[in-house]
Amino acid sequence: LAKTTQPISMDSYEGQEVNITCSHNNIATNDYITWYQQFPSQGPRFIIQGYKTKVTNEVASLFIPADRKSSTLSLPRVSLSDTAVYYCLVGEVSSSSYKLIFGSGTRLLVRP
Amino acid sequence: NAGVTQTPKFQVLKTGQSMTLQCAQDMNHEYMSWYRQDPGMGLRLIHYSVGAGITDQGEVPNGYNVSRSTTEDFPLRLLSAAPSQTSVYFCVARGNTEAFFGQGTRLTVV
Repeated sequence: LAKTTQPISMDSYEGQEVNITCSHNNIATNDYITWYQQFPSQGPRFIIQGYKTKVTNEVASLFIPADRKSSTLSLPRVSLSDTAVYYCLVGEVSSSSYKLIFGSGTRLLVRP
Repeated sequence: NAGVTQTPKFQVLKTGQSMTLQCAQDMNHEYMSWYRQDPGMGLRLIHYSVGAGITDQGEVPNGYNVSRSTTEDFPLRLLSAAPSQTSVYFCVARGNTEAFFGQGTRLTVV
């Protein structure tokens, strides 16, 4: 399983765009990149998943460069409710061997 | 649309007691797993299952047992509770794209 490295914490203000970068230098050919969000006292929930280039949904965008050794989760115009821990995971999602190993995540604090 | 249901939500045990945390999913996903999350720490994988009748150990399996007799259910058993097992426990069912977490069980061992 590819190891991921994320910043421990980030601060932002309401209305700003937040970009959280994840490094995964040992990503394998069949690995996907998936981001989860966790609020206090809740289980993580899926945000977005991608393989290469750019993926966008109603919540976020995921940018993946050509070498796939890193990825950036972009949250447009954050609000106070986006304060949470964000986890980056890498693995072959369709494989039974993909065990969803979570790192420490990035604690995002959005200030008024 | 229940997704993943965990019971109980809260539990207090005395050291040495045993109990079973229940987990049920209605999405027909083959892959299920249990995590624990301690204050200030990330999620650590306890046990996982890739289908009925198949289980395997995760990162921190000691003190826990699991079984998977059906696709829907994946109970976690604490054999002899210890204070070190005080934690929040999450059950997960994973599809090809995303994983679905239960609401968690907050367990305190005194």
